[in-house]
Amino acid sequence: KNEVEQSPQNLTAQEGEFITINCSYSVGISALHWLQQHPGGGIVSLFMLSSGKKKHGRLIATINIQEKHSSLHITASHPRDSAVYICAVSDSNFGNEKLTFGTGTRLTIIP
Amino acid sequence: EAGVTQFPSHSVIEKGQTVTLRCDPISGHDNLYWYRRVMGKEIKFLLHFVKESKQDESGMPNNRFLAERTGGTYSTLKVQPAELEDSGVYFCASSQVGTTYEQYFGPGTRLTVT
Repeated sequence: KNEVEQSPQNLTAQEGEFITINCSYSVGISALHWLQQHPGGGIVSLFMLSSGKKKHGRLIATINIQEKHSSLHITASHPRDSAVYICAVSDSNFGNEKLTFGTGTRLTIIP
Repeated sequence: EAGVTQFPSHSVIEKGQTVTLRCDPISGHDNLYWYRRVMGKEIKFLLHFVKESKQDESGMPNNRFLAERTGGTYSTLKVQPAELEDSGVYFCASSQVGTTYEQYFGPGTRLTVT
């Protein structure tokens, strides 16, 4: 079993729909990261959070440390949101921030 | 400010050959990480440099892989001799040292071993 589990693996939705991607982890962490990779593109960091909630534009990320669970939400989804979204956690040993990754969620938004 | 760069973007080599991948981190970032994604799997950690020192190389698959970061600037990852299972996308990321900072990723090098 992977230390970081994401669901769903694939998600197709209509433009405008509210999107939720979930991430559960089983190890101690210093932070959780949400990353985005467009087809043929590089990996971009969307959020890094260790508690509570962060918002950037139409994207919202939440984390529940007690339940070891995080969600990434996209409001008013748009075709340009189509990408692979990856959850990753930073090791809890300060000074070694290597990331452990989930398998990613492939999101497709249909116009 | 220039981002993390990697070279080459794509490399196709035959089994048994040698390949060297290069990563240039963001200027001033002392942390440098190498990661790899093989087909159909999640991205996995290979190793971590702090300046020129290897902080953690627990993810290196075997001794065919050699990473260096002379002078604490750019890093190279050499695979010698390459095997079929080494095919994948190799990512480099850099970050500042200190409390938890986000990592900035390079575009990756797609390695194909035939």
